[in-house]
Amino acid sequence: GAVVSQHPSWVICKSGTSVKIECRSLDFQATTMFWYRQFPKQSLMLMATSNEGSKATYEQGVEKDKFLINHASLTLSTLTVTSAHPEDSSFYICSAKHSGGLYNEQFFGPGTRLTVL
Amino acid sequence: KQEVTQIPAALSVPEGENLVLNCSFTDSAIYNLQWFRQDPGKGLTSLLLIQSSQREQTSGRLNASLDKSSGRSTLYIAASQPGDSATYLCAVQGTGRRALTFGSGTRLQVQP
Repeated sequence: GAVVSQHPSWVICKSGTSVKIECRSLDFQATTMFWYRQFPKQSLMLMATSNEGSKATYEQGVEKDKFLINHASLTLSTLTVTSAHPEDSSFYICSAKHSGGLYNEQFFGPGTRLTVL
Repeated sequence: KQEVTQIPAALSVPEGENLVLNCSFTDSAIYNLQWFRQDPGKGLTSLLLIQSSQREQTSGRLNASLDKSSGRSTLYIAASQPGDSATYLCAVQGTGRRALTFGSGTRLQVQP
């Protein structure tokens, strides 16, 4: 149990295009999901907290108009990178907090590697 | 602001050795601490989760300890194997913040 999927697993796009990444909790409900970004040889940095039915909370320095987050249901959050540029190339990982979980454990998706040409 | 530090940044050991990875955090007001494994280009695999009220957790050859008052955790790997080669990440969840704060990781290479 407690599986989180991400789609796509990798994407290559041209500069200026928008890319949507999906994060799904497959066998549990998640009122809260988190989006992290990982640059090469660096650790994961939180971008935003996604709350079902309400606006996302963005970390300082993360542009909310560039990284659009929609948490439309208890099992799906999407991250859209708008007008992507090469500096947005990174590994994007989501996690989901089990709404009924005992220990606030977060379950991570396999990640999406974005390359912007 | 919580900061998580992992030492060493990289470690290379011969197969069969026991080893210890260290993690320290600046704010002891944590809810839990997790150790993850990350293979190159891959996502995270959760290894162990320690609640703030716990002192240690064990899973197979792995043992993680937590000393909340001193802001430290260790991951002990017994009888290391080449398949253990990966980056190990420590992350803490604060009591007032639901997201995880990650350390920069320890890159482990176990040589056959």
